[in-house]
Amino acid sequence: GQQLNQSPQSMFIQEGEDVSMNCTSSSIFNTWLWYKQDPGEGPVLLIALYKAGELTSNGRLTAQFGITRKDSFLNISASIPSDVGIYFCAGQAAGQNFVFGPGTRLSVLP
Amino acid sequence: KAGVTQTPRYLIKTRGQQVTLSCSPISGHRSVSWYQQTPGQGLQFLFEYFSETQRNKGNFPGRFSGRQFSNSRSEMNVSTLELGDSALYLCASSLTGYSNQPQHFGDGTRLSIL
Repeated sequence: GQQLNQSPQSMFIQEGEDVSMNCTSSSIFNTWLWYKQDPGEGPVLLIALYKAGELTSNGRLTAQFGITRKDSFLNISASIPSDVGIYFCAGQAAGQNFVFGPGTRLSVLP
Repeated sequence: KAGVTQTPRYLIKTRGQQVTLSCSPISGHRSVSWYQQTPGQGLQFLFEYFSETQRNKGNFPGRFSGRQFSNSRSEMNVSTLELGDSALYLCASSLTGYSNQPQHFGDGTRLSIL
């Protein structure tokens, strides 16, 4: 079945630093979503991407739909303590259900 | 606009019992999907309902079942509970579940099996 790989698995950064993470797949997707999950809560949608090459921003967050349609990237600029959490990517191929990556755990050091 | 609502938030059961979880989607959303989240396996797709019909199903045993009502609210049932069923069960809704529509999650029901 379809699988997504996310890297890095975890990262520790200093407050104020920029963050980059990515998601790759062996399959082509039509939709990429990025979510953030805080402890004890459900994933919250951050950014949705629907077109190859699309670059979309949401505040300090920027995500891109890879040209090959098999990858996506999420960048966070000037990280703050509340950015701590687990970031999930999700991809959807035509007529298929969403597939989720294993997540990137972000820790921000003051 | 109210988000996806899941009840109850926490549940403790013993092996062999059965459990029913509830999900109310965002108003106007007709597709409801259920996921199991565990530390080891991540987010695993259980099934999706649209217009009261199960449209897609993941690789879970028949002990896991669900249904959707005419108002799009959905329930998930797990029978003969096993220790390995301990997990966070998440529900997500979208307008129709097709491409170009994001899913929005509830805060989940945390099920603990003793």
